[in-house]
Amino acid sequence: GAVVSQHPSWVICKSGTSVKIECRSLDFQATTMFWYRQFPKKSLMLMATSNEGSKATYEQGVEKDKFLINHASLTLSTLTVTSAHPEDSSFYICSATGGRLNTEAFFGQGTRLTVV
Amino acid sequence: AQSVTQLDSQVPVFEEAPVELRCNYSSSVSVYLFWYVQYPNQGLQLLLKYLSGSTLVESINGFEAEFNKSQTSFHLRKPSVHISDTAEYFCAVTQQGGKLIFGQGTELSVKP
Repeated sequence: GAVVSQHPSWVICKSGTSVKIECRSLDFQATTMFWYRQFPKKSLMLMATSNEGSKATYEQGVEKDKFLINHASLTLSTLTVTSAHPEDSSFYICSATGGRLNTEAFFGQGTRLTVV
Repeated sequence: AQSVTQLDSQVPVFEEAPVELRCNYSSSVSVYLFWYVQYPNQGLQLLLKYLSGSTLVESINGFEAEFNKSQTSFHLRKPSVHISDTAEYFCAVTQQGGKLIFGQGTELSVKP
């Protein structure tokens, strides 16, 4: 299967600062990337869908100005949590699909964000 | 709109016992179906998928799932579980490639 790399795997930041999470497709061109958030003992909640070169489509209830998503190339999408607060602490996971691989999404390893 | 229901939030079983994790979905159109496994503090790993063809799909580590269109189900089964199978399991559906709708997850706990 295809490989998606997410970085960093964990990060601790101070309240009020911004944090950037990267999601890279290593061996295929990801025309579409997805960002999910997972709370402890909970399922994955889709935050947004990003297509290369276009603005991201956010799910209802997700703050666009809070969670900035950029998909500038076919192999990289970034999620920036701006002015982070403790309630933003969570596990964030990206997935990617594209080309002949568009029937399946490939997941990154996830990023554990802790805001103190 | 699509939705996925995993009927059991927790399933405790003894090692070498059989297990079934239930998944039902609702959709007005044809869908693709997936089972993912998640170990603590890790991302999701694809366990198996149904895209088309045979309704019984198998994974390399002994799991299998059967797509039942009339019952809108995609239950996951394993005839004999191991301690290492302890993890969270997610059922998911997608109509178009990539955008997945997940069930609530089932925590499988295998005891010696």
